Amino acid sequence: RKEVEQDPGPFNVPEGATVAFNCTYSNSASQSFFWYRQDCRKEPKLLMSVYSSGNEDGRFTAQLNRASQYISLLIRDSKLSDSATYLCVVNSYAGNMLTFGGGTRLMVKP
Amino acid sequence: SQTIHQWPATLVQPVGSPLSLECTVEGTSNPNLYWYRQAAGRGLQLLFYSVGIGQISSEVPQNLSASRPQDRQFILSSKKLLLSDSGFYLCAWSVSAGLGYEQYFGPGTRLTVT
Repeated sequence: RKEVEQDPGPFNVPEGATVAFNCTYSNSASQSFFWYRQDCRKEPKLLMSVYSSGNEDGRFTAQLNRASQYISLLIRDSKLSDSATYLCVVNSYAGNMLTFGGGTRLMVKP
Repeated sequence: SQTIHQWPATLVQPVGSPLSLECTVEGTSNPNLYWYRQAAGRGLQLLFYSVGIGQISSEVPQNLSASRPQDRQFILSSKKLLLSDSGFYLCAWSVSAGLGYEQYFGPGTRLTVT
């Protein structure tokens, strides 16, 4: 089983749609969780950290479910510019390393 | 503010040739530094990380090596490249203390081994 698993997609949605991605992680001792965004042929960029109480940043909402060991990202009112690959990332308690999921590709259509 | 630089941006090298990729960070002291590789259409694979000068940990055994000669400089090297070394090489940094180690990536080097 992979440490961090994501549906690779692609998710094809129209502009204005709401889309949700889920991610599961295998290490129950994981302490920190993040979503990164990666545009084609570019470096990953931090989108948001995921806090245990859930957090929202504009159109983006992240949720953490420790009992089920999954993380979600909700994007409301999708824009064309949201088209990218979204990486679920988990930091284990044991060190400074992050484990990256394979990414979920989102394509927002006009 | 912190800035991370990588060069070159793209590189085409023949099989068997040496490699040296450089990464430097500005605006922070004693960062944790990381080298990742992303093969085409694949996820990020951690290659090396460093918590200080001269301290290198390897995650994947291969023909690559890393060095940290200065606090904010991280170098990825190979004596003889293989075709399988092609990929997108990313350097990243994070703060050196506390949990929640958000990592910030450089622009990457796209390496093609021919």
